[in-house]
Amino acid sequence: GAVVSQHPSWVICKSGTSVKIECRSLDFQATTMFWYRQFPKQSLMLMATSNEGSKATYEQGVEKDKFLINHASLTLSTLTVTSAHPEDSSFYICSASKDSNQPQHFGDGTRLSIL
Amino acid sequence: AQSVTQLDSHVSVSEGTPVLLRCNYSSSYSPSLFWYVQHPNKGLQLLLKYTSAATLVKGINGFEAEFKKSETSFHLTKPSAHMSDAAEYFCVVSDEDSGYALNFGKGTSLLVTP
Repeated sequence: GAVVSQHPSWVICKSGTSVKIECRSLDFQATTMFWYRQFPKQSLMLMATSNEGSKATYEQGVEKDKFLINHASLTLSTLTVTSAHPEDSSFYICSASKDSNQPQHFGDGTRLSIL
Repeated sequence: AQSVTQLDSHVSVSEGTPVLLRCNYSSSYSPSLFWYVQHPNKGLQLLLKYTSAATLVKGINGFEAEFKKSETSFHLTKPSAHMSDAAEYFCVVSDEDSGYALNFGKGTSLLVTP
């Protein structure tokens, strides 16, 4: 149980395009979803926390107009990297939990490469 | 405020020998502590968690960790390493003060040699 699916697993696109990443909880309802960014050989940095039906809460230093997060249902959250540039290239990982104080279950991540 | 320190960035062991990955934490509140494992280009898998119950926590794949409040430590151990254990391991702390957000350590890369 507690499976989180993240799609796509790998995306390569040109600079200036927008990229959408989906995070789905397959067998439970996720009140809270989290988006992390991981640079090579580094730890995970929390970007934002989203609660279903509410605006996402962004961590300090994360541009909310750059990284649009939508959590429209209890099983789906999306992260859209708008007008992506090479410096946005990274590994993005989502997680989902039934509530903010419940264990987080992680997706397999999305490798984003901007040319 | 909370933080977590993984004392070793790299650990190398021989297959069949014990594994010890060290983690120290600080937390103003009663913390929840986790160990996650990440294989290359993959998400994170929960190995085990401590949430104020038994101080010795058993996880998956033969791993266990002991919560020692007096030492503010939560070291991860396994009696006998397998080749498949080679991965990145993250110690994570969470508490009510942080809104239960996960605070990750920098990770320890475990290498298992034949």
